[in-house]
Amino acid sequence: DQQVKQNSPSLSVQEGRISILNCDYTNSMFDYFLWYKKYPAEGPTFLISISSIKDKNEDGRFTVFLNKSAKHLSLHIVPSQPGDSAVYFCAALDGGATNKLIFGTGTLLAVQP
Amino acid sequence: GAGVSQSPSNKVTEKGKDVELRCDPISGHTALYWYRQSLGQGLEFLIYFQGNSAPDKSGLPSDRFSAERTGGSVSTLTIQRTQQEDSAVYLCASSVQGGDGYTFGSGTRLTVV
Repeated sequence: DQQVKQNSPSLSVQEGRISILNCDYTNSMFDYFLWYKKYPAEGPTFLISISSIKDKNEDGRFTVFLNKSAKHLSLHIVPSQPGDSAVYFCAALDGGATNKLIFGTGTLLAVQP
Repeated sequence: GAGVSQSPSNKVTEKGKDVELRCDPISGHTALYWYRQSLGQGLEFLIYFQGNSAPDKSGLPSDRFSAERTGGSVSTLTIQRTQQEDSAVYLCASSVQGGDGYTFGSGTRLTVV
């Protein structure tokens, strides 16, 4: 049972435009969410996070929005750059004893020059 | 070292053979996680080590999988009698005390033929 879902396996946008990556979750107990970026043959790297006490967190070109009632979050990248082309994973922190992250299946973003 | 180091980077093995995958975490990171990414799947949690506590093995898919962490540092993931469905990228991550702030290694791509 997938607790974190990324329903779009891929997304293609033009350089300079906005990229919007979406993520849904099923467990209302999740209260901390993260986005990771992964290039081929590399491990995922942390991008941005958001706590459930907020509905928006911004870091440069990257903004994450959280809609708790809809159990939905999104990552906005604006303006998109070719170097942003990568797989983006949404993750939720399972706040039990393990504090492990539960990941979605990822969205492959391709930014066309 | 500066980052999480995993070896080998690639491993091709015959079905039925045993394999060992190694992870060298960032010095001082007490939490260590193993995840795997199968084709078209998200990152699947396997096992978690935190300091001297008993590991959380709840994600291990079968008793053919085991992991050790010696001296609170290096970890080895062992897969016995490998099967084709074990083919995946195995990722190790460490953090100061779990939760967010994971640093991932580049992974080991395991192919069982």
